[in-house]
Amino acid sequence: QQQVKQSPQSLIVQKGGISIINCAYENTAFDYFPWYQQFPGKGPALLIAIRPDVSEKKEGRFTISFNKSAKQFSLHIMDSQPGDSATYFCAATYTGFQKLVFGTGTRLLVSP
Amino acid sequence: DADVTQTPRNRITKTGKRIMLECSQTKGHDRMYWYRQDPGLGLRLIYYSFDVKDINKGEISDGYSVSRQAQAKFSLSLESAIPNQTALYFCATSTTVGNDEQFFGPGTRLTVL
Repeated sequence: QQQVKQSPQSLIVQKGGISIINCAYENTAFDYFPWYQQFPGKGPALLIAIRPDVSEKKEGRFTISFNKSAKQFSLHIMDSQPGDSATYFCAATYTGFQKLVFGTGTRLLVSP
Repeated sequence: DADVTQTPRNRITKTGKRIMLECSQTKGHDRMYWYRQDPGLGLRLIYYSFDVKDINKGEISDGYSVSRQAQAKFSLSLESAIPNQTALYFCATSTTVGNDEQFFGPGTRLTVL
């Protein structure tokens, strides 16, 4: 019940296109949903995060959409750029759990 | 200077050897974590520590041990390395207050032959 399922495992998008990565969870206690971005040779870094009191959060070209009833959340990258090529991890936790549960990751390649 | 550092960055060792991976942080965070990353499996938590006297097992602690020598230092040991421990290992830190963000080190690539 602590799992976070992420799809797709890999994604190729043309420059200027929209990249969409999906995650689903089971534990309804989860109340914080971050996305981490990892470039080759680097550790993951927080990209954007959402709490379930809103259905969408946007920061620049990156948007999280959150569907509480479906227990799903997704990352949308608008106008994808080659510099966005990285591995993306969704995660979830709840207040007091003190740990992050990560998805399995999506390797995104944005072709020039 | 990097806030979270890991040494070594790369290590090749043989089956049965004991190996230690070290993590240091200058962020002043109390919480520290060790993860391993494998293709298709994401990041899995090995151990975590919320202060020097608090050590907790994660989901895949078998075959690993840790030591929290100080607030800033958290080491991961493989007592007798085996090939399926070949992976990328990350240390992370977080504060006890705020938004649960974790700050990751650059990783250690470990190969067990």
